[in-house]
Amino acid sequence: EPEVTQTPSHQVTQMGQEVILRCVPISNHLYFYWYRQILGQKVEFLVSFYNNEISEKSEIFDDQFSVERPDGSNFTLKIRSTKLEDSAMYFCASRLGVETQYFGPGTRLLVL
Amino acid sequence: DAKTTQPTSMDCAEGRAANLPCNHSTISGNEYVYWYRQIHSQGPQYIIHGLKNNETNEMASLIITEDRKSSTLILPHATLRDTAVYYCIVVGTSYDKVIFGPGTSLSVIP
Repeated sequence: EPEVTQTPSHQVTQMGQEVILRCVPISNHLYFYWYRQILGQKVEFLVSFYNNEISEKSEIFDDQFSVERPDGSNFTLKIRSTKLEDSAMYFCASRLGVETQYFGPGTRLLVL
Repeated sequence: DAKTTQPTSMDCAEGRAANLPCNHSTISGNEYVYWYRQIHSQGPQYIIHGLKNNETNEMASLIITEDRKSSTLILPHATLRDTAVYYCIVVGTSYDKVIFGPGTSLSVIP
């Protein structure tokens, strides 16, 4: 069964460093998303992406964040200058159209 | 904000059916009811969804009331591996994001 994959599974970085989280959505899907979950809190929407542009973004998704689909398979989330409060699980998701959104296993980001 | 309300937590004995309720009284005609679960910080896992009719798959059954204002997720024979947070979510037919509420924390007890 096709699934969304994410790398790395864990990332430790120093405050102020740039990180890139990578996702491979399900191959024929058209809509892509990033969510995050701070430890002990609920899953929060960050950004949606369709047709090579951002469809919607939340207040969390400020100028420090960017997304890119550099080729036909990868979907990346970049945090330019990480802050302590960026420590969280980051989930990628994709959907084909009006059907179900499928989530990846997540990347645990720890900013020291 | 989430458009659904769910109990904060529930217990279920292993092997018994787990019935998880959800209220979505403001649901509109083109919105689906989706259920996901999250097992201890893993990625949310899709379980089942429906529009009007009851649905069943290999994981669960979804019962939607005729007025569509509430639904129940049924895990017919709960196992310890079903211990998770279960999210009832209303999703439209556009490229809507998924808005997660706090969900129901289900504990399956031996």
